[in-house]
Amino acid sequence: DAGITQSPRHKVTETGTPVTLRCHQTENHRYMYWYRQDPGHGLRLIHYSYGVKDTDKGEVSDGYSVSRSKTEDFLLTLESATSSQTSVYFCAISEFWTGGLSSPLHFGNGTRLTVT
Amino acid sequence: RKEVEQDPGPFNVPEGATVAFNCTYSNSASQSFFWYRQDCRKEPKLLMSVYSSGNEDGRFTAQLNRASQYISLLIRDSKLSDSATYLCVVSVVGTASKLTFGTGTRLQVTL
Repeated sequence: DAGITQSPRHKVTETGTPVTLRCHQTENHRYMYWYRQDPGHGLRLIHYSYGVKDTDKGEVSDGYSVSRSKTEDFLLTLESATSSQTSVYFCAISEFWTGGLSSPLHFGNGTRLTVT
Repeated sequence: RKEVEQDPGPFNVPEGATVAFNCTYSNSASQSFFWYRQDCRKEPKLLMSVYSSGNEDGRFTAQLNRASQYISLLIRDSKLSDSATYLCVVSVVGTASKLTFGTGTRLQVTL
């Protein structure tokens, strides 16, 4: 299995508080992704990174920010958590993206976030 | 039309049966195709990558039909342990954000 660790695995927080989720990889892959998964929506991309300090938005980026200061770490921050951000968050990594040709994604174990 | 569409199921099949799922995609420029399995409350795990016409791995076969824009997954000799949700993933030309997930097809294999 790919070396991807997400932390924390579970978190309960209150509306309005900032929350940071961490993704750590040991594969030295260039691409890292944050997804959320909700019933009926499947996996939706929040943000992704294509290198250190290189990030871009996905389809559901509002209310989220990311940072990647090292190849191995990709942080997702909920600036002011809302109940609509209650979800399961998955980090993923992949080795390459060339035009539209992609290596497969490998996922971390996920973080279950509940915002009360 | 959704970019990637899957029949949500559930597909209920007896152990030992052969079952097939289809996944249709809307963008003819799609280049990479993947099948993942996801168990309840777990992360998706890669089952198969398809870059050309198809791929086979043991009891699992994926076929790509570019003319009709779908990819299929065939599971032979179903096992109880195959019960899971199967996700189809498609990439298109563009930025690395252009990986689109289907919402999955649920398979339940019974005795």
